[in-house]
Amino acid sequence: RKEVEQDPGPFNVPEGATVAFNCTYSNSASQSFFWYRQDCRKEPKLLMSVYSSGNEDGRFTAQLNRASQYISLLIRDSKLSDSATYLCVVNRRSGGYQKVTFGTGTKLQVIP
Amino acid sequence: DGGITQSPKYLFRKEGQNVTLSCEQNLNHDAMYWYRQDPGQGLRLIYYSQIVNDFQKGDIAEGYSVSREKKESFPLTVTSAQKNPTAFYLCASSRVEGMAEKLFFGSGTQLSVL
Repeated sequence: RKEVEQDPGPFNVPEGATVAFNCTYSNSASQSFFWYRQDCRKEPKLLMSVYSSGNEDGRFTAQLNRASQYISLLIRDSKLSDSATYLCVVNRRSGGYQKVTFGTGTKLQVIP
Repeated sequence: DGGITQSPKYLFRKEGQNVTLSCEQNLNHDAMYWYRQDPGQGLRLIYYSQIVNDFQKGDIAEGYSVSREKKESFPLTVTSAQKNPTAFYLCASSRVEGMAEKLFFGSGTQLSVL
């Protein structure tokens, strides 16, 4: 089983729709969680950190469920510019350093 | 502006040739990383360095080598032993915030085999 799993998609949604992605992680010792956004042939960019209490940044809401070991990303009022691949990232301590594991990403295509 | 600079953007390698990808950062970060990304795949860790003059193998280090002689620089050499080098290579540096390691990436190098 992969340490971090995501549905690869693609998720094709109309402009203005609400879309949600989940990401599951297998190691209960995981400590911190992030969502990154990656455009085609570009570098990943940090979108937001994910906290147990949930956090919101404009149209984006991230949530962590430690009991079920998943994190989620909700995008409201989708824009064409939201089309990208969204990477789930999980950190945990391993052998004296922070091990960073990326999911394979979920592709979102927002359609006019 | 502070950031991470990778060069070149595109690189072509002939069979049996070693090539070196450059990564420079002026963010004063201690830790630096090299990842490889294949189409439709996630990022896989090649090497990482937590401090100058120290580096560790990641999950797919075979066929690659690195050095970390300066804090700002972490070049990656793709050797002839790497039989399938065509991929998108990403360099990153990180800073610790609380318990989290936040990564910041360069713009990547696309390596192709001629």
